[in-house]
Amino acid sequence: GAVVSQHPSWVICKSGTSVKIECRSLDFQATTMFWYRQFPKQSLMLMATSNEGSKATYEQGVEKDKFLINHASLTLSTLTVTSAHPEDSSFYICSPDGELLNNEQFFGPGTRLTVL
Amino acid sequence: AQTVTQSQPEMSVQEAETVTLSCTYDTSESDYYLFWYKQPPSRQMILVIRQEAYKQQNATENRFSVNFQKAAKSFSLKISDSQLGDAAMYFCAYRSQAGKSTFGDGTTLTVKP
Repeated sequence: GAVVSQHPSWVICKSGTSVKIECRSLDFQATTMFWYRQFPKQSLMLMATSNEGSKATYEQGVEKDKFLINHASLTLSTLTVTSAHPEDSSFYICSPDGELLNNEQFFGPGTRLTVL
Repeated sequence: AQTVTQSQPEMSVQEAETVTLSCTYDTSESDYYLFWYKQPPSRQMILVIRQEAYKQQNATENRFSVNFQKAAKSFSLKISDSQLGDAAMYFCAYRSQAGKSTFGDGTTLTVKP
């Protein structure tokens, strides 16, 4: 299967600071990137979808100015949580998609964000 | 919009026994994909099994099999000979041709020794 990495795996930050999460597809080209958020014991909720070189499309209720997504290359996408607050504490998962993945979805290992 | 419903928040099974997890979905599309994912405490999403909607034959992967009823929009997962390592949260997922996935709320499976 495809190899996906996320960095950092966990981060603790102070309220008001910004945090950047990186997602890399290590052995395939990700033309599309899905970013999910998961609260404890809950489902994965899609936050946004981005295509390489284009602006991201955000799901309803997700603030695009708070969750900045950059997908500048086919192997790297970043999610920046700006001016983080405790309610942004969650588990963030990326899922890159490419043409050769046979409609199978692969996920990064996730990033646990705790905002104090 | 598609919806996925898992009506069993928690399930329990005795080791070596069989358990079935339920999933129903709603869609107006005719072509799509259905998946079951396992999420252990590490929270890494692991693919368990997949089913293409155009295939009538139910998918099987070793001890895992599905009962896919397209007309009823039902997609249940059967785990045979349950093992302690099967304990996890299981998510049913619908994936459209456009690539967007919708996940159910999950079922926490406990395996008793």
